[in-house]
Amino acid sequence: KNEVEQSPQNLTAQEGEFITINCSYSVGISALHWLQQHPGGGIVSLFMLSSGKKKHGRLIATINIQEKHSSLHITASHPRDSAVYICAVSQNTGNQFYFGTGTSLTVIP
Amino acid sequence: NAGVTQTPKFQVLKTGQSMTLQCAQDMNHEYMSWYRQDPGMGLRLIHYSVGAGITDQGEVPNGYNVSRSTTEDFPLRLLSAAPSQTSVYFCASSFSGLETQYFGPGTRLLVL
Repeated sequence: KNEVEQSPQNLTAQEGEFITINCSYSVGISALHWLQQHPGGGIVSLFMLSSGKKKHGRLIATINIQEKHSSLHITASHPRDSAVYICAVSQNTGNQFYFGTGTSLTVIP
Repeated sequence: NAGVTQTPKFQVLKTGQSMTLQCAQDMNHEYMSWYRQDPGMGLRLIHYSVGAGITDQGEVPNGYNVSRSTTEDFPLRLLSAAPSQTSVYFCASSFSGLETQYFGPGTRLLVL
């Protein structure tokens, strides 16, 4: 069973393009998290959100609780944005996180 | 602050050997967790702890043990390594199970 589904699995974009990564989930959540995993393997948290929209630099994350869907947008993409982006949810009934399989983004100069 | 540290970075084991993956954090986080990451699959929770002396199983606990004697440390023990345990292991910590997690750099484990 997959509590968290992401799309697309792979994405190639030209530098400057607007990018959208989607995440759907099937469990009740307390929050949704977007993570970034660099080619070297390190994982960092980008956003935690439970409603509405958050923005940090060129990154925007939105969530629709009713539809159980979130999107991560990257404006004016740059090669340094190349990474795997992972959606995760913290379930509202316990202490467990569930992760999507990630979206591998490559931005070509 | 060092954040979350993991040792070793890479390890090769033979089937049946045991070992301990170390994880430490200096942020006074109560919640700590261990994940494994396999190709084509999302991170999967092995064990987690909500504070010193308290641990619980995650999604894939078989073959692994944990203990939490201090707030800072959360070691993961492989009792008898199997090739199916070849993976990349991440330790993470946060103030609670609902908050932003901070991840260690990972340990690559190869079981032959």
